[in-house]
Amino acid sequence: QKEVEQNSGPLSVPEGAIASLNCTYSDRGSQSFFWYRQYSGKSPELIMFIYSNGDKEDGRFTAQLNKASQYVSLLIRDSQPSDSATYLCAVPQPKAAGNKLTFGGGTRVLVKP
Amino acid sequence: DVKVTQSSRYLVKRTGEKVFLECVQDMDHENMFWYRQDPGLGLRLIYFSYDVKMKEKGDIPEGYSVSREKKERFSLILESASTNQTSMYLCASSNQGYQPQHFGDGTRLSIL
Repeated sequence: QKEVEQNSGPLSVPEGAIASLNCTYSDRGSQSFFWYRQYSGKSPELIMFIYSNGDKEDGRFTAQLNKASQYVSLLIRDSQPSDSATYLCAVPQPKAAGNKLTFGGGTRVLVKP
Repeated sequence: DVKVTQSSRYLVKRTGEKVFLECVQDMDHENMFWYRQDPGLGLRLIYFSYDVKMKEKGDIPEGYSVSREKKERFSLILESASTNQTSMYLCASSNQGYQPQHFGDGTRLSIL
């Protein structure tokens, strides 16, 4: 079992709809969770982080964390063509030195006008 | 804002050359990382450093070395470049604790 798993997609959503991305993780000791957006040919950019169970909202983005079920989700409301990118879920390795992150393989999102 | 600067966006080198990739961060972060990213393989950690002069191997260290003589600078060295090291190289930095990593713009390296 991979430590951090994401559906690779592509997830195709019409403009204006909600895009829902999921990420599952294996280490129950994980304390924080990050979502990165990566446009083609560019570097990953941090867009959301969440530490506590429940929801966290930032603009059109909502992160949802359920530690009991070991998953974290990202919702993109009112999806725009500019949201077309790959979204990476990242989880710190609790027992590792140096704040290493384990990245999921990413979910590619395509927003169609 | 955190600024992580990689010395080159694009670089072309020849097989057998020694190649240096430089990365500088301006936020006094303790941790610095080098990744490579290839289509279908995701982000793979090459080396990381959690303090000056301290380094640890990541998942794919073979053919690479690193240097961290100053806190803000982390260098990746390809000892003898080979064509299979053609890739996008990404540098990142972070604070201690469960903190996110911040990435530079990346260096697209081609080995001919």
